[in-house]
Amino acid sequence: DADVTQTPRNRITKTGKRIMLECSQTKGHDRMYWYRQDPGLGLRLIYYSFDVKDINKGEISDGYSVSRQAQAKFSLSLESAIPNQTALYFCATSDTGSGSGYEQFFGPGTRLTVL
Amino acid sequence: KNEVEQSPQNLTAQEGEFITINCSYSVGISALHWLQQHPGGGIVSLFMLSSGKKKHGRLIATINIQEKHSSLHITASHPRDSAVYICAVTNTGNQFYFGTGTSLTVIP
Repeated sequence: DADVTQTPRNRITKTGKRIMLECSQTKGHDRMYWYRQDPGLGLRLIYYSFDVKDINKGEISDGYSVSRQAQAKFSLSLESAIPNQTALYFCATSDTGSGSGYEQFFGPGTRLTVL
Repeated sequence: KNEVEQSPQNLTAQEGEFITINCSYSVGISALHWLQQHPGGGIVSLFMLSSGKKKHGRLIATINIQEKHSSLHITASHPRDSAVYICAVTNTGNQFYFGTGTSLTVIP
């Protein structure tokens, strides 16, 4: 079974609808991240959480909100979806191990289309 | 301005060729990462390094901290190596910055 799972894998919705993307992990990591990927652009950070009580905005948080329900679960919501939120969304996790840097483990991605 | 720049953006190679993908960065880093994104979209971590060189099978990653530059090499390339290769860095504040990726196609 995959260590980081995302649901749904694909979603088509209409402008103005509320959408929730869910992420679950079995790696036991404290840190979780939500990214979006657009053609020609690198992954961009939306929100991140270093533990259940810690939520931080990333580079492009406007129009999004998150909830860290448990160590293993981190959900991303689009309160009122708009077409320019059409993108590939990735959840990732990383450990808080010592040493330099933190390897990230990615979910399979959710392809969201807002019409 | 991107903190992480990759070159080339697109690369086509014949099977068996030696491939190099370059990455330059402008921030202080605690680590540099090379990721592979498969055509289906999934992303996997290939390497995480902060100095020197790492090797895994036909893949080799090097980093020069003084020059703020890293290279990913693929020896004896194979069509199954076709993917997007992404360079990312973790800065000293433990934030990630990603390059836009290099799309590699290996032709049989």
